[in-house]
Amino acid sequence: DAGVIQSPRHEVTEMGQEVTLRCKPISGHNSLFWYRQTMMRGLELLIYFNNNVPIDDSGMPEDRFSAKMPNASFSTLKIQPSEPRDSAVYFCASSYHSSARLAKNIQYFGAGTRLSVL
Amino acid sequence: LAKTTQPISMDSYEGQEVNITCSHNNIATNDYITWYQQFPSQGPRFIIQGYKTKVTNEVASLFIPADRKSSTLSLPRVSLSDTAVYYCLVRTREYGNKLVFGAGTILRVKS
Repeated sequence: DAGVIQSPRHEVTEMGQEVTLRCKPISGHNSLFWYRQTMMRGLELLIYFNNNVPIDDSGMPEDRFSAKMPNASFSTLKIQPSEPRDSAVYFCASSYHSSARLAKNIQYFGAGTRLSVL
Repeated sequence: LAKTTQPISMDSYEGQEVNITCSHNNIATNDYITWYQQFPSQGPRFIIQGYKTKVTNEVASLFIPADRKSSTLSLPRVSLSDTAVYYCLVRTREYGNKLVFGAGTILRVKS
């Protein structure tokens, strides 16, 4: 398996522009996570989906951020309009989450998208 | 949002054992503790996962006390290639059982 695939690897845009980050999870995984990593705040969970349904979006910073998962093999994270403070590395991760009471849920991460908003 | 606590950095020499502890006082009852390794310009990579007592795999051991309020990642005989940032990941009861990464421990291995 190719692992979790994210695109683009790097994105440079100007303040106010719309940015769309893409993720293809590992085939067979049923959970997908979007994280943001900055020096100041470390790794933060933005949102995660289970079976294509958003389960916890409490980490999404504000209404400018939105995420979709139209099918099991694709997800997007959109920022509109983008601001300089959104500059960060955005990671997508996927896992297989079982319904067992005690589930292991090991996440596999993509290489990330480095976003710079000027 | 200090739901987990790890040392900021550690230094070691090749061949030594390294132990990194993560404190997570409000860990959720039914969830594993997971540790990840991250190299520059890469995503975090799974190292080891456990629920209680001790777990060992080909690269590390994980020690978890009975109260599960902390966990210790043990790397035996580190090499230069183990220089990386190490994170614990737990689900905490704060803010509704939210998944939280620790701030990370920078491990520098010297020759």
